[in-house]
Amino acid sequence: QSVLTQPPSASGTPGQRVTISCSGSSSNIGSNYVYWYQQLPGTAPKLLIYRNNQRPSGVPDRFSGSKSGTSASLAISGLRSEDESDYYCAAWDDGLSGPVFGGGTKLTVL
Amino acid sequence: QVTLKESGPVLVKPTETLTLTCTVSGFSLSNARMGVSWVRQPPGKALEWLAHIFSNDEKSYSTSLKSRLTISKDTSKSQVVLTMTNMDPVDTATYYCARIRFLDFVWFDPWGQGTLVTVSS
Repeated sequence: QSVLTQPPSASGTPGQRVTISCSGSSSNIGSNYVYWYQQLPGTAPKLLIYRNNQRPSGVPDRFSGSKSGTSASLAISGLRSEDESDYYCAAWDDGLSGPVFGGGTKLTVL
Repeated sequence: QVTLKESGPVLVKPTETLTLTCTVSGFSLSNARMGVSWVRQPPGKALEWLAHIFSNDEKSYSTSLKSRLTISKDTSKSQVVLTMTNMDPVDTATYYCARIRFLDFVWFDPWGQGTLVTVSS
């Protein structure tokens, strides 16, 4: 059971906008930054969003992050087939004194 | 270009100790602003943080695995070593190392390619 809660799956058609939610608590998302990672099949995770809503260089602006209270969301607009991947949210947890991850969301592009 | 690469045994027996090495390039382990974390992922399951270490030798461990983990570094060799004792089949996973930033411990970037460790007799 992961500390952060994500839907196990999400889907959309090319061009659509999809959002993936990440729910936590006051000890993690509520008081710390949220990060998002993309893990393409058979590869290592890759940083997608840092500090709630910042994109590393090279990440398309189709990807955006937001946070409100103890929840966060990843939005992907203009969905493309290459976005089909697993997505993980993460945050520092003050109670556990370490990073915690969500269970991951498998995005399918129909 | 910053890269990290994990190495270690592919197969370990239950109760044995696992030793993994992360060799980094493109940054120095003596850099006060940079550190290295270990994260694992059982097949088909989620990511789990294990431990991290910084240049000043500051270390932190997952509370659930703390008794079994030891992290260390050899700055001259650009290597970070993670040992995990008393391995069990549930520890079968791909183990990743990743660079992190001081005071931004969840900023894992980049990651190594990972190494799959199977625990079986």
